[in-house]
Amino acid sequence: QQQVRQSPQSLTVWEGGTTVLTCSYEDSTFNYFPWYQQFPGEGPALLISILSVSDKKEDGRFTTFFNKREKKLSLHIIDSQPGDSATYFCAASGSNNRIFFGDGTQLVVKP
Amino acid sequence: GGIITQTPKFLIGQEGQKLTLKCQQNFNHDTMYWYRQDSGKGLRLIYYSITENDLQKGDLSEGYDASREKKSSFSLTVTSAQKNEMAVFLCASSIPTGVAEQFFGPGTRLTVL
Repeated sequence: QQQVRQSPQSLTVWEGGTTVLTCSYEDSTFNYFPWYQQFPGEGPALLISILSVSDKKEDGRFTTFFNKREKKLSLHIIDSQPGDSATYFCAASGSNNRIFFGDGTQLVVKP
Repeated sequence: GGIITQTPKFLIGQEGQKLTLKCQQNFNHDTMYWYRQDSGKGLRLIYYSITENDLQKGDLSEGYDASREKKSSFSLTVTSAQKNEMAVFLCASSIPTGVAEQFFGPGTRLTVL
């Protein structure tokens, strides 16, 4: 059973628009939710993360929202830029050293 | 800051061949990971190591062996390469806690002929 589900699989937005990526998870013991950004030919890199004690975290144009009751989270990118074009992974982890990743969303921002 | 180095960047092998991928980190992290990333898919954990000489199986360990020779290095062996496992193999490291950022290397792309 996939622990983390992510949607959409791919998304195209216009420059200046708002991007919304969504994610759901299964294990109610998960308490840490990072989002990773991956450019072609590179490994993923941490973009933003949130702990289950919070419902929102903001970092510049990137904001992640967390809904514990529904076991859902989302990533919002305002004023999307062509340089944001990448694959975004939602992930979740609990008390051990493992992180479970979603299948990713390929984002294309068109100028 | 630190860096994770993966060698080789591209690996081409024959079906049935035994192949080894190497990873080095200079973060001084205790925990290291090997993931497989298939095209258009997420990252699936093959093996991880919480500390030197430790090995833990992930969800995709069948067909692979791993070795944590020292704190800074973690190797992955494909025991018998198959065409359906052509993918990018990513190494990562972190401090040993579930809420820690994982730092990734650039990956090794495996092609099986």
